[in-house]
Amino acid sequence: EAAVTQSPRSKVAVTGGKVTLSCHQTNNHDYMYWYRQDTGHGLRLIHYSYVADSTEKGDIPDGYKASRPSQENFSLILELASLSQTAVYFCASSDWGGSSYEQYFGPGTRLTVL
Amino acid sequence: AQSVTQPDARVTVSEGASLQLRCKYSSSVTPYLFWYVQYPRQGLQLLLKYYSGDPVVQGVNGFEAEFSKSNSSFHLRKASVHWSDSAVYFCAGANTGKLTFGHGTILRVHP
Repeated sequence: EAAVTQSPRSKVAVTGGKVTLSCHQTNNHDYMYWYRQDTGHGLRLIHYSYVADSTEKGDIPDGYKASRPSQENFSLILELASLSQTAVYFCASSDWGGSSYEQYFGPGTRLTVL
Repeated sequence: AQSVTQPDARVTVSEGASLQLRCKYSSSVTPYLFWYVQYPRQGLQLLLKYYSGDPVVQGVNGFEAEFSKSNSSFHLRKASVHWSDSAVYFCAGANTGKLTFGHGTILRVHP
């Protein structure tokens, strides 16, 4: 069974603080993604990666950095958290171009910035 | 740039009724299309997918969707809904390694 896990599942951060969200996949997929979900906006792509040690900007990268130290791990970093970054964050992985094009999602991290 | 539109923000139906959730896509090439479902406080789960071939694709739990190139649509259908189908449904399209999501449709099924 394909598996994407995220940690922490929820977090409260202070404005201006640093936040790191972690994602781990056991699917052996090359592609990994970070999305944020806000009410009424669906999911929006922040960063993605198709190979270790390389990341790409998605549609809303401002205020976020990403790190892909290995095929299995992908982190999202908020260097200076802001109120507007309160959202639910989802990680996903995909075997794009391989056996399928679908993405497998983690359970999400609920981030509240105060 | 690709876009995906779900024109209905909320749909309410009675248990046992039929269902159609609408999805329109915009792309210069035929995309790969997906429907995902999200139950409260959970991640997204794949319902079904379309890559090519037969325009009607079957998914889990009795869901199906029909691809129409002429209408640029990928509507989701179910013949008889159950109260447990209440959730948020997302249509998504991909053609460059990334997914573009619609804003989602909140489905409420009256028991």
